[in-house]
Amino acid sequence: QMQLMESGGGVVQPGGSLRLSCVASGFRFSSYDMHWVRQAPGRGLEWVAFIHYSGNEKNYADSVKGRFAISRDNSKSTLYLHLDSLTTEDTAVYYCAKDRGSVVYYLDVWGNGTTVTVSS
Amino acid sequence: DIQMTQSPSTLSASVGDRVTITCRASQSISNWLAWYQKKAGKAPKLLIFKASALESGVPSRFSGTGSGTEFTLTISSLQPEDFATYYCQHNHNFGPGTRVEIK
Repeated sequence: QMQLMESGGGVVQPGGSLRLSCVASGFRFSSYDMHWVRQAPGRGLEWVAFIHYSGNEKNYADSVKGRFAISRDNSKSTLYLHLDSLTTEDTAVYYCAKDRGSVVYYLDVWGNGTTVTVSS
Repeated sequence: DIQMTQSPSTLSASVGDRVTITCRASQSISNWLAWYQKKAGKAPKLLIFKASALESGVPSRFSGTGSGTEFTLTISSLQPEDFATYYCQHNHNFGPGTRVEIK
């Protein structure tokens, strides 16, 4: 059974940092592209970042470019998202998701999400 | 950047109704479109990919059609568990969502 489990969310002050983790199980993590998607309270889904299965290609939403960094450790089947210079606009539930194919952006396995609250 | 729009934004329907949601892209995206179901407090669920391919395990009452700039998600007979918000997606762009609520 393919599963993803996020952790690392919490309450942080504006300007602060966090690192989110997502541990994969039940599939060959090193073979799949991965994404982070978020949903702010009362808002829709917003794609945040993408990383190629090799880790060599990354892409970010304009809203987080230069502040967030996606990475992965295939030896640990773990995906990361480092969040920096956080603002209240970054308050959201953050989901990691597996791409169904090769850079097709069809997200077929999702974690349950981890909540990030940016507040003073 | 390609913009995705959905209509309606909210839809009121009864169990057993046939429901259709429309998604439009600001330029042609061929059939590079997915549909997701999102319930409060739950992770999104992939329903349809490549505009019309049903994801494994998704009930056959869900179907997707379209290509180019206009797409539809149809639920042939709405079930109680289908009340949720539905999102279309092309690459890194999600539509704004369509909330399906109980009439």
